[in-house]
Amino acid sequence: QQKVQQSPESLTVSEGAMASLNCTFSDGTSNNFRWYRQHSAKGLEVLVSIFSDGEKEEGRFTAHLNRANLHVSLHIREPQPSDSAVYLCAVSMNSNNRIFFGDGTQLVVKP
Amino acid sequence: EAAVTQSPRNKVTVTGGNVTLSCRQTNSHNYMYWYRQDTGHGLRLIHYSYGAGNLQIGDVPDGYKATRTTQEDFFLLLELASPSQTSLYFCASSDAGRDTGQLYFGEGSKLTVL
Repeated sequence: QQKVQQSPESLTVSEGAMASLNCTFSDGTSNNFRWYRQHSAKGLEVLVSIFSDGEKEEGRFTAHLNRANLHVSLHIREPQPSDSAVYLCAVSMNSNNRIFFGDGTQLVVKP
Repeated sequence: EAAVTQSPRNKVTVTGGNVTLSCRQTNSHNYMYWYRQDTGHGLRLIHYSYGAGNLQIGDVPDGYKATRTTQEDFFLLLELASPSQTSLYFCASSDAGRDTGQLYFGEGSKLTVL
């Protein structure tokens, strides 16, 4: 079964400094990756989706995928206090709708 | 954008109690999911369904039943609730095809079992 692990568990950055979050997965045939954000035990919102190796940018959020290294990352440019939330990595395959989540990274952005 | 509505948003019951969590989605998505979220465990899949009358078992199904009565409605049933089922429950939906894997979440249902 797919294993998805995120690091770090928690991260504190200053407003305006780059925030980088990591996610590793175990199934190299995975081809569907998303980053979600969750504010204070509320519903999750998707930030960026990526399906092939390389980079995908959505506003201040950039995902990097390296399937050979079983690694996908999220970089948040110029983070703001309102970006303080839990960030979850989700991995699946286009051939099915079985989606696996990491445990999340708690991000705190200090003014 | 898909709308997913959960009810109740908060529920308190006692051990051995009977609980039904309801979920309705209004964008005709094929897939619907029930997850639970606990500190240190992220989101864990309980059950999911790809259409009315269909049910698939997830990773943590013990103690839970589910039923998909229509394309819009998916219910999670706890027939003998236990304190270990105290959690935050999320319903989500997704479409098959090009957007596979994009989940649309409800706001969550907080369940406390005393």
